[in-house]
Amino acid sequence: NAGVTQTPKFQVLKTGQSMTLQCAQDMNHNSMYWYRQDPGMGLRLIYYSASEGTTDKGEVPNGYNVSRLNKREFSLRLESAAPSQTSVYFCASSEATVSGANVLTFGAGSRLTVL
Amino acid sequence: AQSVTQLGSHVSVSEGALVLLRCNYSSSVPPYLFWYVQYPNQGLQLLLKYTSAATLVKGINGFEAEFKKSETSFHLTKPSAHMSDAAEYFCAVSEIAASSASKIIFGSGTRLSIRP
Repeated sequence: NAGVTQTPKFQVLKTGQSMTLQCAQDMNHNSMYWYRQDPGMGLRLIYYSASEGTTDKGEVPNGYNVSRLNKREFSLRLESAAPSQTSVYFCASSEATVSGANVLTFGAGSRLTVL
Repeated sequence: AQSVTQLGSHVSVSEGALVLLRCNYSSSVPPYLFWYVQYPNQGLQLLLKYTSAATLVKGINGFEAEFKKSETSFHLTKPSAHMSDAAEYFCAVSEIAASSASKIIFGSGTRLSIRP
């Protein structure tokens, strides 16, 4: 059971380039999330998806787009990367759509550097 | 919007000493609260969660946390620190978003170091 799989693990981009971070889960979870982690700032929510076909903005959505391709996959796209988007990105999933007690299962992270 | 504040970005204790990591939340309704742990170069994993069933919550690896509504706190404790507890710890709060998915907000984290 792989859990939550993120690709790529590492990526270096130049300012203005675009890229997509991929995330897939095999736990049949309904909700999926993208966070970024920066030193001293904890994890900040970028976008989340309650179910296939729905997405919502989190705390820091500017400069990002997402696609919930199907129940398993939730991708994060940077259309025009900026140095401020240098970060470690985590994808997570949880089981229920309506429950405050959702427990997140995290991927291993994707380290992105924008030069 | 709900939020959490973790007091102290870095805590250092001696092996065998009490561990106390502080978390305060803000919420207009009873929240769901969580503690997650992140070991170096890994993703986060759940330590424990509060869902209103009991104010004292026990988690994995000997950690526990107490929900105190009057203090809006959810501090994490462990009676005796072990070297393997060195990691970063995150407090998180859950709010129900309009789309009915849980919007889970994290604090800034506390790095725990253990001195031999």
